[in-house]
Amino acid sequence: DADVTQTPRNRITKTGKRIMLECSQTKGHDRMYWYRQDPGLGLRLIYYSFDVKDINKGEISDGYSVSRQAQAKFSLSLESAIPNQTALYFCATSDPSGRAADTQYFGPGTRLTVL
Amino acid sequence: RKEVEQDPGPFNVPEGATVAFNCTYSNSASQSFFWYRQDCRKEPKLLMSVYSSGNEDGRFTAQLNRASQYISLLIRDSKLSDSATYLCVVTANQAGTALIFGKGTTLSVSS
Repeated sequence: DADVTQTPRNRITKTGKRIMLECSQTKGHDRMYWYRQDPGLGLRLIYYSFDVKDINKGEISDGYSVSRQAQAKFSLSLESAIPNQTALYFCATSDPSGRAADTQYFGPGTRLTVL
Repeated sequence: RKEVEQDPGPFNVPEGATVAFNCTYSNSASQSFFWYRQDCRKEPKLLMSVYSSGNEDGRFTAQLNRASQYISLLIRDSKLSDSATYLCVVTANQAGTALIFGKGTTLSVSS
């Protein structure tokens, strides 16, 4: 089984709709991240969380919110989706300790289309 | 100046070729450096960490020059399966609280 899973894998929605993307991990990592990837722009950080009580804005948090329901779960919400939020969304985890510190492990991605 | 800059390519090489990718970063406080590989429409996966002393993993060699803020990746004896986009990644600060991704360099290996 995959260590980092994302649901749904694909989603088409309409402008103005609320949508939630979910991420679960079995790696036991405290740190979790949400990124979006757009063609030609690379990955950009939306939000990150270092533990259940810690939530931080990333580079492009406007229009998004997150919830860290448990160590293993980190959800991203678009309260009112707009077409320029069409992108590939990735969740990632990391463990700050040890030789692999700062290494991030990604989920398979959610392809979101907002019409 | 962009935080992490890479030549986007594409690099088109025949099997067996040696190819080198370069990357520059702007934040002198960055402490950790990585190369990730991303296949089309898939998630990025760690290829290798980059250490100051340089490191090698099979056909892949990574080098770091902190003074020049420059990172490189050398791929020897290219395989068809090496075709992918290679992302240069650095930590945003000394605490390593976030990663900054380059836009990636695309490699296409042909037979």
